[in-house]
Order: sequence, then structure tokens, then C-alpha cells
Amino acid sequence: DSGVTQTPKHLITATGQRVTLRCSPRSGDLSVYWYQQSLDQGLQFLIQYYNGEERAKGNILERFSAQQFPDLHSELNLSSLELGDSALYFCASGSPGQAPGGLYFGAGTRLSVL
Amino acid sequence: SQKIEQNSEALNIQEGKTATLTCNYTNYSPAYLQWYRQDPGRGPVFLLLIRENEKEKRKERLKVTFDTTLKQSLFHITASQPADSATYLCALASGGYQKVTFGTGTKLQVIP
Repeated sequence: DSGVTQTPKHLITATGQRVTLRCSPRSGDLSVYWYQQSLDQGLQFLIQYYNGEERAKGNILERFSAQQFPDLHSELNLSSLELGDSALYFCASGSPGQAPGGLYFGAGTRLSVL
Repeated sequence: SQKIEQNSEALNIQEGKTATLTCNYTNYSPAYLQWYRQDPGRGPVFLLLIRENEKEKRKERLKVTFDTTLKQSLFHITASQPADSATYLCALASGGYQKVTFGTGTKLQVIP
């Protein structure tokens, strides 16, 4: 168990809809990272937050947005969903700035857009 | 643009042998390089981290080397076991961990 909690585990929705994915980081970790993993692609970095502030942005679509709340949990909002958004979405947490270590990943949310 | 390359073809190896996986990168000056294991449908699991000023790191049966001149890292699993079968990902992080970028991974199959 990585200590990172993601909900829901599975999400099935229709094109054009909006969904929210939730992530609770490992206790003590200030940073949250979001990644998308499709069948034909590796882990694509979406966005990183550190202690509530956005720190880095990857190839995140304008239809997607995220935030990190004061209690450090994070939400990834996906809107105007398209078939191509179907993927596994992972959240990871870490503590940059301290003794460097790895990222700790949640179990992921599997999104299916029909 | 930044690129991280890992062998896209699966690596099949006999049980008990040493598996060696390669990670090459271009247009990047990482402060840290990490290796992860990922099983199908599950999140990656952190294995090892090596800093830019370190040449080698070991943990149990795992060994990682990091050559910043060649822009390459090698990941070794000695005395490989069928339970080591998984996809292995390398990842690069700049100082401050503002972005951790992953390679596409190499699938390792250890044959009994």
C-alpha cells in the first residue's frame, strides 16, 4: 500500500460529460502529481502541485483542470469528455525539497468514455 | 525536445540470470534518475533513485548506474526470478522535482 488514495477506481461516462477524480497524498507529502496512461502511450505528465500551488504543467488539455486544497488533497477535473480521454489516471505524491526520494502512486482511476 | 528512450521490445530472460535494462535520454540535464516497476493495471512502484553525481546505487538484487556523459542509465536485476516479471520505467527529475518525466518502459519476462 503506497499510502496514496484515489477515488473512484472506475468511472464510466459519456462523451461531453464532466468528471472529477480525487487524490489524497501520502501523509507528510506536500506535492501531488497527475499522470495519464493510455494503452498505446506511457505515463504522460499532466500537472504538479506543491502545498496548494501549481508548480509545473505538462501536456494538459485546456478541458482539464486541477487544484490542490489546504488539506493537500487534489482533484482533477475533466470536462467535455471525448472518446480519446479514456485512460488510466494516476495521482502520485512526493516531497520535493527534502531528501529526494521517489514518487508514490495511487492505484489509479480507470476512465471509460463511451 | 526532451526524450527518454527505453527498449520498447520485451526482454525475455532465463530465471537466475542477470537482466539489464537501458534508459537513454536527450536534451535533458536531470538532477535525479529514478526506476520504477509497474504491474499491469497498477500504479508504478518506486524502486531506486540515483543522483547526477552518483555513478552507481545498489539495493538488494538491484543495481543502477548513471552516466551523465553518455546520458544513459542501466538497471540490473541479478538472480532474476519469475516474480520480477513486470514493466520497468525510468524517470528523470530536475532539481526541485518540478517535473518528473517517465520513459515508456521495458517489459521484462523472466522464464522459469
